[in-house]
Amino acid sequence: EAQVTQNPRYLITVTGKKLTVTCSQNMNHEYMSWYRQDPGLGLRQIYYSMNVEVTDKGDVPEGYKVSRKEKRNFPLILESPSPNQTSLYFCASSLSPTGTGNTIYFGEGSWLTVV
Amino acid sequence: DQQVKQNSPSLSVQEGRISILNCDYTNSMFDYFLWYKKYPAEGPTFLISISSIKDKNEDGRFTVFLNKSAKHLSLHIVPSQPGDSAVYFCAASERYNNNDMRFGAGTRLTVKP
Repeated sequence: EAQVTQNPRYLITVTGKKLTVTCSQNMNHEYMSWYRQDPGLGLRQIYYSMNVEVTDKGDVPEGYKVSRKEKRNFPLILESPSPNQTSLYFCASSLSPTGTGNTIYFGEGSWLTVV
Repeated sequence: DQQVKQNSPSLSVQEGRISILNCDYTNSMFDYFLWYKKYPAEGPTFLISISSIKDKNEDGRFTVFLNKSAKHLSLHIVPSQPGDSAVYFCAASERYNNNDMRFGAGTRLTVKP
């Protein structure tokens, strides 16, 4: 079954404590990205990756890091989380970044609360 | 600056009736438009798309209409079913580029039996 898997699904953490949200896809997709969803703002892209070792900033990258050492994995790292990073996070992937029919597949989401 | 706007946070319709979800955009360079559907505790899933060379695309009960001059698109669901109750996100991109995709804030549709 085609899947994008994120972990953890739910996390409450404290300000400043480093955390990593893992993301893995089993579809051999080149393109992966991270979004955050906030009320009234929709989905906003944090970082994206065109392929292994190729990553770039999205619209809201401040406070986040990513890495793409393997094609299937794209972890999101919060080095020093702050309360304004409390949000619902989605990992996503698609076969390639461009072209019609390159459907974006989303993970189930990770609820992160920073207190 | 939100380039894609869904001005109705929620919509409630009766089962069997038509649901119309609206979306406006500001960037005239957008040429590819999509609707995603999201159930609680799940990620968004692709529903239907339309290219700027068309003004209508139909897939079963779902039809998307595009009015380029008004920078407006809408999703029609006919007939609406209780299983359609979800949050619907409108999205748009330039040159079919997922990097440039912009999402609206979503509209929560409730279909009452």
